[in-house]
Amino acid sequence: ETGVTQTPRHLVMGMTNKKSLKCEQHLGHNAMYWYKQSAKKPLELMFVYNFKEQTENNSVPSRFSPECPNSSHLFLHLHTLQPEDSALYLCASSQAGIERYGYTFGSGTRLTVV
Amino acid sequence: LAKTTQPISMDSYEGQEVNITCSHNNIATNDYITWYQQFPSQGPRFIIQGYKTKVTNEVASLFIPADRKSSTLSLPRVSLSDTAVYYCLVVGDDKIIFGKGTRLHILP
Repeated sequence: ETGVTQTPRHLVMGMTNKKSLKCEQHLGHNAMYWYKQSAKKPLELMFVYNFKEQTENNSVPSRFSPECPNSSHLFLHLHTLQPEDSALYLCASSQAGIERYGYTFGSGTRLTVV
Repeated sequence: LAKTTQPISMDSYEGQEVNITCSHNNIATNDYITWYQQFPSQGPRFIIQGYKTKVTNEVASLFIPADRKSSTLSLPRVSLSDTAVYYCLVVGDDKIIFGKGTRLHILP
C-alpha cells in the first residue's frame, strides 16, 4: 500500500466509450498529478493540481478531462479515445511547494483502447 | 529544469554492487538529487535523495561530489528483484520531470 490508490487497475474500452479513472490519496498531500507512460517511453506529465486548482495542462488533448473535487481525490475522465492512448496512467501526490520531498505514486491503471 | 543524463541500460549479476552514474551539469543551488525506482506496471518509488557528499539508507547509497554536477547511485549486493528502471532527477521546489532512466537488468 503506497498511500495512493488507483482504480481500476486495468481497463479496456472502445473508442466510443466514456470511462473514468480514479485516484485517492490519504497522505495529507495537497498536490496531485496525472502521468502517462507509453511502452518504453518516459513518463509524460499530463496535469497538475495544487490545492484543487489545475495549475498545469501539458497540451493534453481534450478527450482527457481531469477533475479534482478535493485535495484527496483526482479523476481522469476519458471519452472518444484513440488506440495510441493505450498506456499506463499513473497518479501521484506530493506536498505542494516542497516537491523535493518526493512524489508518491499509485500503481497505475493499464488502459487499452480497442 | 536541470537536465540529467544517465546510461540507457546496464546489466549486472546477483551479489554484485551496481553503480549508476548521472550527470546534471546545470544543477541549481536549491536543487536536490533524487532517485526513483520503477518496476514493470507499477508507479515509480522514491528511493534516495541527497544534496552533497554521501547519503545512505537501507536500500542504496548516493554519492555526490563537491561540484554536484554528477551523482552515483550505488546498490549493494543486488538481487534479481532489483531489476527495474532507475530514474535520476534534479528537484527544486517545482514539478519533477522524468527522463528515460536506466534500465537495470540483474542476471542470475
